[in-house]
Amino acid sequence: DGGITQSPKYLFRKEGQNVTLSCEQNLNHDAMYWYRQDPGQGLRLIYYSHIVNDFQKGDIAEGYSVSREKKESFPLTVTSAQKNPTAFYLCASSIGSGGARETQYFGPGTRLLVL
Amino acid sequence: GEDVEQSLFLSVREGDSSVINCTYTDSSSTYLYWYKQEPGAGLQLLTYIFSNMDMKQDQRLTVLLNKKDKHLSLRIADTQTGDSAIYFCADKGPRGSTLGRLYFGRGTQLTVWP
Repeated sequence: DGGITQSPKYLFRKEGQNVTLSCEQNLNHDAMYWYRQDPGQGLRLIYYSHIVNDFQKGDIAEGYSVSREKKESFPLTVTSAQKNPTAFYLCASSIGSGGARETQYFGPGTRLLVL
Repeated sequence: GEDVEQSLFLSVREGDSSVINCTYTDSSSTYLYWYKQEPGAGLQLLTYIFSNMDMKQDQRLTVLLNKKDKHLSLRIADTQTGDSAIYFCADKGPRGSTLGRLYFGRGTQLTVWP
């Protein structure tokens, strides 16, 4: 089955701790995205990557970091600098051809809670 | 701009039709999407429409696009309790954009009563 997996489903962070959320896809997509979702809010873009070893900041990148060492993997680290990290985090991917139709497909999400 | 607006709540009776509305501001939008999110889950692509189309039908789903008014709607016929979810409208940027970025509305919570 092709798809996007995210782990863990739930993650707990202690004060001052960095945590890393995993996102893996086997769709052979070039582009990958991280979004943050808060209750009653739309999706806000944190980081995106269109090719291996390259990524760009989205609208709310402060307090987050990413890497893209492999095409299929795009992990997100929530650093201690992110003061309000409690949210639902969604990873997505798309073909990345730059064409007009760049449908994004989403993983199941990770819920991050602060202890 | 990239603002996408949706009403936050909609309640319907089982068997009725649901209509979820969305407005967007970017007149150069190429594709517009509808996604469904069930509780605690990721977003599932329902359908999309290209900006040169007025309507698209896919089984119980009908998408209407009024490009002049920048208004998009999703009609669900014979709504079932399993349709209860949050529905997001999303707007893709201009034709030829290499970014592939989508702009999402805040989502409409659809509640279906038996």
